[in-house]
Parts: sequence; C-alpha cells; structure tokens
Amino acid sequence: DIQMTQSPSTLSASVGDRVTITCRASQSISSWLAWYQQKPGKAPKLLIYKASTLESGVPSRFSGSGSGTEFTLTISSLQPDDFATYYCQQFSSYWTFGQGTKVEIK
Amino acid sequence: QVQLQESGPGLVKPSQTLSLTCSISGGSISSGAHYWNWIRQRPGKGLEWIGYIHYSGSTYYNPSLKSRVTISVDMSKSQFSLRLISITAADTAVYYCARSVLYYYYALDVWGRGTTVTVSS
Repeated sequence: DIQMTQSPSTLSASVGDRVTITCRASQSISSWLAWYQQKPGKAPKLLIYKASTLESGVPSRFSGSGSGTEFTLTISSLQPDDFATYYCQQFSSYWTFGQGTKVEIK
Repeated sequence: QVQLQESGPGLVKPSQTLSLTCSISGGSISSGAHYWNWIRQRPGKGLEWIGYIHYSGSTYYNPSLKSRVTISVDMSKSQFSLRLISITAADTAVYYCARSVLYYYYALDVWGRGTTVTVSS
C-alpha cells in the first residue's frame, strides 16, 4: 500500500500568514493527488486535484504543487475561514489519505 | 447540482451487518466518468477510503476492508449502497458517500453530509 505522510500534524498561524503543508508518498504517484479542507462536523471539500489544479470556486490563495512523491499545499495569505484540517489523498493505488494537518489560530 | 444523501441505522450491534444507502439527486448515476465512493472517519481521526463502484458494476475496495465490504448500485433508484459484515466497535464512524470524477484524476468532488454509525450492544 502507498502511505501518505503529511507534515506538520498541527500548524499554528495568524491571519495573513503564508502557510505550506507537505504531503509525501511512500512511492511515486505521479500527479494522482488531491487536497481537501474539512471543518468540524462537516464533510471534506475538494480544493485541488491532479496535484495542482484548483477546483472551481476555490479561492486563488490556495495552490498545489509537486509530483512523484512530494507535494505541497500553499495558502498564500491565511484568512479566518481557512482555519480547518487539510488532507491529501492519493489515487495511484488503493486510494489513501494523509493523516491530516490542523491549521489553528496562533 | 448533484447532491448526495446517506441513510441508514445510527446504531448497530456488534457482529451484525451494517447497511447504508446513498441517494443521488440532481445528476445521473450512470455517467461513465463518475465513480461512487464510501469513506469513513472514526471519532477524532482521519479519513479512510472504503471503496467505490462504477455504474457498470465494477468495484474497487480498500484491501484492509475488502473481506467484509460489498458496494452495490441500484440505477433504477439512483442509489448505491454499502454493506459491511461482522462489525465491531472499531467500525464506529461517520460514513460519507462521495462522487469521484475520472477527469479530475478521480478526486472526490461531491460529498454527502455523512451519517454517524455507532456500534454498541
């Protein structure tokens, strides 16, 4: 199975900060990666697919990059609505999620 | 706009079988580009993909659950279902149904609100 490891597990940041979350795959997954945002009590929301393509309606402050085994999700200027937990998911083989990164208020 | 809605029992006894249904509205279940998924989230934990079904009937399951899981589709009702046998307390979770899209590299673009399942005697 392909393991997905996110770092950090928790991130403390302030409004306006640039935030970067990393997701590493245990083997190459090309660009078969998506990013989701989840708020407490809610279903996840798709942000990025194909590693770097922004889902329609998602603010442009979100961006994704990477291929192979290392990927990043960047929020260019953190907004109050962005405090949430973020997950990566790979679709190369037996789909798996990362363990999540909680972005909390500093 | 496609919407998904999970339904099923909120409480199930250990060793029994869990059956959940996802109803699709505002779109077609028989689109060749879409795959219909179940995902779960244990209390306070991350997301776990369970499996998917395509309208053609092809399925793909998480190897860790494959021996206990069946996903089926009922096109006449625009529904797909999850059946999980021999459940234990470890199966207590919020269960989500979601749609994945072939041309999104299978990303899950539409989710249901989730249904909470508690396994307890």
